[in-house]
Amino acid sequence: EVQLVQSGAEVKKPGESLRISCKGSGYSFINYWIGWVRQMPGQGLEWMGIIYPRDSDTRYSPSFQGQVTISADRSINTAYLQWSSLKPSDTAMYYCASAGISGSYDYWGQGTLVTVSS
Amino acid sequence: DIQLTQSPSSLSASVGDRVTITCRASQGINNYLAWFQQKPGKAPKSLIYAATSLQSGVPSKFSGSGSGTDFTLTISSLQPEDFATYYCQQYNTYPATFGPGTKVDIK
Repeated sequence: EVQLVQSGAEVKKPGESLRISCKGSGYSFINYWIGWVRQMPGQGLEWMGIIYPRDSDTRYSPSFQGQVTISADRSINTAYLQWSSLKPSDTAMYYCASAGISGSYDYWGQGTLVTVSS
Repeated sequence: DIQLTQSPSSLSASVGDRVTITCRASQGINNYLAWFQQKPGKAPKSLIYAATSLQSGVPSKFSGSGSGTDFTLTISSLQPEDFATYYCQQYNTYPATFGPGTKVDIK
């Protein structure tokens, strides 16, 4: 069974750094793109970026380029999303999702809620 | 970036109704169009990929159609568990983009 398990909710202060994770299991992690999606409170889905764990090829949405870093550690089947300096506007639910054979986001993590507040 | 629009933005329907949601892309996307269902407090769930292909385990009451720039998600007979928000997504070109969503609620 394919599973994506994300790290737990985070409460941070503005200016702090953060890395959240997404661990894949039940499939060949390195061979499928895995991406991150933001959902701000009460809002729709926003595509942030995607990484191919086999060679770490990474693509970002222009809206998120330079604001976050996507990475992956294929030795432990885990993808990461990190911020160097959080802002209150980063408060959102963040989902990881794996592009399966279809090329679409077939599988989703349960989400990680990030709250940034002073 | 490729822009996706969805119509309607919301709709009210009754159990048993046939529901159709439209997604229009700002340019051709080679049928790399997916549909997702999201219920409150839950992660999105994949329903349709490649415009018309049903994801494994998804009931056949869901169907996708269309090509080029115009696509449709149809629910043949709405059931209580189908009340949710539905999003389309194009994955032909980076950045992949989502439509704004269509909320389906109970009439």
